[in-house]
Amino acid sequence: GDSVTQMEGPVTLSEEAFLTINCTYTATGYPSLFWYVQYPGEGLQLLLKATKADDKGSNKGFEATYRKETTSFHLEKGSVQVSDSAVYFCALYRDSGGSNYKLTFGKGTLLTVNP
Amino acid sequence: GAGVSQSPSNKVTEKGKDVELRCDPISGHTALYWYRQSLGQGLEFLIYFQGNSAPDKSGLPSDRFSAERTGGSVSTLTIQRTQQEDSAVYLCASSLGRLETQYFGPGTRLLVL
Repeated sequence: GDSVTQMEGPVTLSEEAFLTINCTYTATGYPSLFWYVQYPGEGLQLLLKATKADDKGSNKGFEATYRKETTSFHLEKGSVQVSDSAVYFCALYRDSGGSNYKLTFGKGTLLTVNP
Repeated sequence: GAGVSQSPSNKVTEKGKDVELRCDPISGHTALYWYRQSLGQGLEFLIYFQGNSAPDKSGLPSDRFSAERTGGSVSTLTIQRTQQEDSAVYLCASSLGRLETQYFGPGTRLLVL
């Protein structure tokens, strides 16, 4: 079945450091890929998405490129801020032609950014 | 505009009691999803509704779990005879259609004592 593997962390960085959170997936066909973020005490928020190979999703300084050849969707940010501290989830969505339409999530990566 | 809302935000119950969790999706969203977030299992899919219909209920963890949706809007997830392993955050999401981006509510944190 479909699966998502992401760097589990926790990841601790200093403010203005470069961030990479690795995400790879296993799925047949052409899934759509997502990064969701969960700030402390809040629900999941969509951060960015990409729906086809070579697409780059971007938002709030974060970027991720859909690489079909390496089945990856790594999240990057050039300069993190304390306010980026959160749990980040990589997810995929695939139209399998069945009767359930669900996101498959990675286990999440806790990011802590220190001043 | 209003996002997905869920109630209650927190629920503490005793083992063996029944609980009902409510989800109000974004207006106009025809698809609605329930997920469970727990420490051991991460984010698990429970059930999907298109309109008022749930075509496949196989994601529900046991027959103590049931869900319904009425009027193509509000959904209720019911857990009967709660067990301690049901303790988790229950998340609801909605989307315009089944292939569209899912937007999540803040969740209901359930603690079974």
